[in-house]
Amino acid sequence: DAMVIQNPRYQVTQFGKPVTLSCSQTLNHNVMYWYQQKSSQAPKLLFHYYDKDFNNEADTPDNFQSRRPNTSFCFLDIRSPGLGDAAMYLCATSVRQGRGEKLFFGSGTQLSVL
Amino acid sequence: TQLLEQSPQFLSIQEGENLTVYCNSSSVFSSLQWYRQEPGEGPVLLVTVVTGGEVKKLKRLTFQFGDARKDSSLHITAAQTGDTGLYLCAGDSNSGYALNFGKGTSLLVTP
Repeated sequence: DAMVIQNPRYQVTQFGKPVTLSCSQTLNHNVMYWYQQKSSQAPKLLFHYYDKDFNNEADTPDNFQSRRPNTSFCFLDIRSPGLGDAAMYLCATSVRQGRGEKLFFGSGTQLSVL
Repeated sequence: TQLLEQSPQFLSIQEGENLTVYCNSSSVFSSLQWYRQEPGEGPVLLVTVVTGGEVKKLKRLTFQFGDARKDSSLHITAAQTGDTGLYLCAGDSNSGYALNFGKGTSLLVTP
């Protein structure tokens, strides 16, 4: 089935040790998003790509970077994870960017920072 | 950022009961979406409401968009244990390029 796949489901890293989270999609959607969701909080948009155009949210820390080498794959790099970066990271896609677009989410990667 | 406030934050009910959860904002939205998120999974879209005053039904779920397009409600009739999950409302961001989510209502339906 076409879907959004995130790997790994659970990731444990050490304080300050770089970590990369992966997302792939078989939907051939133009837009890919990364959201951060902490316990009992709303998913918070970090950045998104419309095709190869990168859009960073104003309050996304510099510690977070992203790469989209092709339509199917998108990566989230955390250069120096802190304890406060422990969260569920959700990748999502949509056909277009714009009002009312349906988002298709992956199952998320739960990141723990020790 | 256009804030979305959801209430209640937590709700625990028994199977067969009815419930309503709310999503409110001081901002006007061109559309609002409702998602359900089960533990350990990503959110799944339930419905999109676009027109002020619009009512949409999805089996036992009834969604309403406020006349002023600032608020929305989700009513579940005769809740089932399978309705357990986190219900998130989401509206377009100021840029229109992405969604802003509320914190959600965590619903637990017990047998």
